[in-house]
Parts: sequence; C-alpha cells; structure tokens
Amino acid sequence: AQSVTQLDSQVPVFEEAPVELRCNYSSSVSVYLFWYVQYPNQGLQLLLKYLSGSTLVESINGFEAEFNKSQTSFHLRKPSVHISDTAEYFCAVSLNTGGFKTIFGAGTRLFVKA
Amino acid sequence: GAVVSQHPSWVICKSGTSVKIECRSLDFQATTMFWYRQFPKQSLMLMATSNEGSKATYEQGVEKDKFLINHASLTLSTLTVTSAHPEDSSFYICSARDRVYYEQYFGPGTRLTVT
Repeated sequence: AQSVTQLDSQVPVFEEAPVELRCNYSSSVSVYLFWYVQYPNQGLQLLLKYLSGSTLVESINGFEAEFNKSQTSFHLRKPSVHISDTAEYFCAVSLNTGGFKTIFGAGTRLFVKA
Repeated sequence: GAVVSQHPSWVICKSGTSVKIECRSLDFQATTMFWYRQFPKQSLMLMATSNEGSKATYEQGVEKDKFLINHASLTLSTLTVTSAHPEDSSFYICSARDRVYYEQYFGPGTRLTVT
C-alpha cells in the first residue's frame, strides 16, 4: 500500500529564516509528487510538482522541493519565509497507474513569527 | 489555469435530510473526479473516485449508500449525502483530473454542517 508521511505536524519559524518541511513516501509503483498549500477555510492550491526530469522543482514564490528516489523523500524548502507563508502544507503522491489516485500526508502547519 | 468550482460553498441542513454538492470543471474535461473529506486540522481523506459514465469506486470504510456520487458528464460530478447526521459535518473537497494532461485540480471545498 502507498503512504505519505509528513514528519512534522507543526513548524514554527521566525520571519526571514529558512525552513524545511519533510515528506517521505512509500509506494510499490512509480508516483508523481506534489506539495499543496491550504490557507484557512480555503481549498488546496498546488505549490509545486514533480512528474519527471529534473529532481529539483521550484515554485513561483520561492519554495523548492527535491525528489530523492533512494530516500523516497520530497522535502519542501524555502530559504527565507514570510509571514504570509503561514498555512497548512500537504505533501501528496499520485500513483502513476490507472486512476492516478492521490494520497495525502497528514499536513504540516507552518507558522511564521515576526 | 484550470478551474474547478463547487456549489454550494457552505450548507447547513437538518439531521435526516439529504444534501447535494456539485463539482464542475470549468475550462477542461475531466475523465476522473475525486471526492475528499477533511476534518478540522486534519488531512484530506479520499472518499471515492468517479469516472465519467461509470460507477464510483469507494475507498474502504466509505458507505456508498450514504455518499452517492454521480459523474454524469466530463465536467460535472455530484456528491449527495443522504440522511445526513451531525457526524457527517465536514469539509468536502472535490478534484478533477484533466483528460489531456493528467493534472489534478482542486475545488475550493464545501463546508457541510448538519444540525
């Protein structure tokens, strides 16, 4: 069975500090990898994705994630966070078979402090 | 970019009544749509996967007779919560997969409160 593990439920960090949100997955088939962000009382927004090619993917707002196949990880990083980055972040894997079912991790609450 | 809408965004109903939630892909055709449920401060739990013109595939533990899913066209899927009870109160999110690019887009969610 496939699973996604986000190792930290909450990550408090000061503004302008770097941050890493960790994500590990397990799957017997190849997967696509995603990070989504959810602001309070809103739906999910795609932050970035890895489908194939370069293992380092970047978003337009400074986040990046690196796919590490040997460690089955897809950690999310940002070198300098802003107050506005405070949100819930979900790591997800979409199975590269049939129905492309997407499984989500439990989420990490990023709290940026002034 | 691709847009998925949900209607209504918030609904309050009385226990024992049924509620229908619509999910539409506005500018693309979706071969597959997914329905998720999210409890406060928790992750999304996949409830079912529906393919246009086929019966939905429900995840283990999800009552198919309680959560009726219809995917009548390539742009519309509906979730009907039948005989709703307070424990069905939750945030329901749909997503649609683009037929061409296989990317998944999420709706803004529907908050259901059963009193």
